[in-house]
Amino acid sequence: EVQLVESGGGLVQPGRSLRLSCAASGFTFDDYAMHWVRQAPGKGLEWVSGISWNSGSIGYADSVKGRFTISRDNAKNSLYLQMNSLRAEDTALYYCAKVDGDYAGGFDYWGQGTLVTVSS
Amino acid sequence: SYELTQPPSVSVSPGQTASITCSGDKLGDKYACWYQQKPGQSPVLVIYQDSKRPSGIPERFSGSNSGNTATLTISGTQAMDEADYYCQAWDSSIGWFGGGTKLTVL
Repeated sequence: EVQLVESGGGLVQPGRSLRLSCAASGFTFDDYAMHWVRQAPGKGLEWVSGISWNSGSIGYADSVKGRFTISRDNAKNSLYLQMNSLRAEDTALYYCAKVDGDYAGGFDYWGQGTLVTVSS
Repeated sequence: SYELTQPPSVSVSPGQTASITCSGDKLGDKYACWYQQKPGQSPVLVIYQDSKRPSGIPERFSGSNSGNTATLTISGTQAMDEADYYCQAWDSSIGWFGGGTKLTVL
């Protein structure tokens, strides 16, 4: 059974940093691209960042480019999102999502999300 | 930048057919996906590569994509299909979601 478990969310002040983690199990992690998708309270889905199986292809939404860094450790079956210079508008539930094939595929499995609240 | 536009809401009677559209520039040249999200739950992929259904998704869910519009069709809509639906596509390796459509079954 595929499982994606996010952690690392919490309350953080504007301008500070936070690192999210996603622990994957139930599939061959290093065969698939992985992504982060967020959802602000009461709002729609927003793609944040993605990384190919070998970290050779990485992409970011314009809203986070230069502030967030995605990475993965295939030996640990883990995905990460380093978030710096956080803003109030980064407040959201952050989902880890697996792609059903190449980098630009459908997100066939999602975690339950970890909540990030940016507030003073 | 790329934009996907969905109607905010769609209503359908039980047993009838619901259609949810998603519009974007030359969307038909890209693959479209659709996600269902119920309150308090993570999204679920219901259609990928325009018209393919993941295992476990009922046959009443179907999709098409041509020109500037992708369409999610739910035939014989059931009360359990009431949810928010999001379209999604890729443009220059950047992921884009539509704003979402609230499907009401009444």
